[in-house]
Amino acid sequence: DQQVKQNSPSLSVQEGRISILNCDYTNSMFDYFLWYKKYPAEGPTFLISISSIKDKNEDGRFTVFLNKSAKHLSLHIVPSQPGDSAVYFCAASGLDNNNNDMRFGAGTRLTVKP
Amino acid sequence: ETGVTQSPTHLIKTRGQQVTLRCSSQSGHNTVSWYQQALGQGPQFIFQYYREEENGRGNFPPRFSGLQFPNYSSELNVNALELDDSALYLCASSLAGTAYNEQFFGPGTRLTVL
Repeated sequence: DQQVKQNSPSLSVQEGRISILNCDYTNSMFDYFLWYKKYPAEGPTFLISISSIKDKNEDGRFTVFLNKSAKHLSLHIVPSQPGDSAVYFCAASGLDNNNNDMRFGAGTRLTVKP
Repeated sequence: ETGVTQSPTHLIKTRGQQVTLRCSSQSGHNTVSWYQQALGQGPQFIFQYYREEENGRGNFPPRFSGLQFPNYSSELNVNALELDDSALYLCASSLAGTAYNEQFFGPGTRLTVL
């Protein structure tokens, strides 16, 4: 069952503009959310996370927003750079899972054009 | 500090065969998780090993099994391979008790079942 959904398989933006990647989840027990970035031939690397007690977390150019009532989170990248071109995965977990069984979305391929 | 390594990089097997994939965890990490990433999908949690014992399992049949060794490296074994087992297999290491953002992924093993 797809408990974490990324409905946009791809996104293309111009360098310097904002990239917005979206993610929806269905399991109300999820209370910790992460974004990973994946380059070809490499494993996913952690980008930014947010717990359910917050609605926003910022780290440099990256901001994650969480709307618990809508079960929706988004990743904003401002300004976008060509090096941001990668596949971005949204992931979710419940803290009662003892840090295992993290659920991933299918990913969104971001292309930032120079 | 060495990162997470996996071997082999690529592997081709035929239906019904058995395969063993290997993972060396990052220095200082004592927990290893395995994920299957089918084409166009996000990683799916297979199982996690901590202190040489299985510590959580996703929705995978028993023909998927694993081992963790005293040096914290790990193996994933798949018996009676099926065509749908073709995927990228990722391992991730972490230190028990730390949050998901402390989990580091290897580059993966690409398994093709013919």
